[in-house]
Amino acid sequence: DTQMTQSPSSLSASVGDRVTITCRASESISSYLNWFQQKPGKAPKLLIYAASSLQSGVPSRFSGSGSGTDFTLTISNLQPEDFATYYCQQSYSTLPLTFGGGTKVEIK
Amino acid sequence: QVQLVQSGAEVKKPGASVKISCKASGYTFTSQGISWVRQAPGQGLEWMGWISAYNGNTNYAQKLQDRVTMTTDTSTSTAYMELRSLRSDDTAVYYCARLLRVGPALNLDYWGPGNLVTVSS
Repeated sequence: DTQMTQSPSSLSASVGDRVTITCRASESISSYLNWFQQKPGKAPKLLIYAASSLQSGVPSRFSGSGSGTDFTLTISNLQPEDFATYYCQQSYSTLPLTFGGGTKVEIK
Repeated sequence: QVQLVQSGAEVKKPGASVKISCKASGYTFTSQGISWVRQAPGQGLEWMGWISAYNGNTNYAQKLQDRVTMTTDTSTSTAYMELRSLRSDDTAVYYCARLLRVGPALNLDYWGPGNLVTVSS
């Protein structure tokens, strides 16, 4: 199975900061990479699909980049509602849709 | 609007089975698939598998394939996930999600609220 490794596992940041989360795949997955946000007690929410496409309704301060094995999620101008856990997931249909281990973004 | 409504919390004994339902509305059920994802307490997300509501084809995570069965009832737009031979480490919140195919990609774009399944003697 394709392994997805996220870093860091947690980070502390302040409102207004720029935050970057990294996801690395154990093999090339082209641009088949999605990012999710999950708040406590809630279902995950799709933020970014195909590595860099913003899901409808998601604020433009969220952006994604990368291809092959290395991907990043960037949150510019961090807002109070952005404190949550973020997961990457590979989305290529012939492979298991494995998730990364998650990155918890906490208030500094 | 797309909605996925899941059945309620369950408490099961080790060795038992659980069957969770996920009723979809707001789109043509047979046009997309349904995926199941679980999350143990305080842990990350674990993909369990998916089923095509169009033709019933399934793809299960290797570690669960001997114990899990995913089915759909197109007459009621409902997907089901049955997990057998339950163990304590199957205690988790189980989510269903709509599986949107975009070319060769599968995107989980709408999620149900989750079902807590507790396995305890």
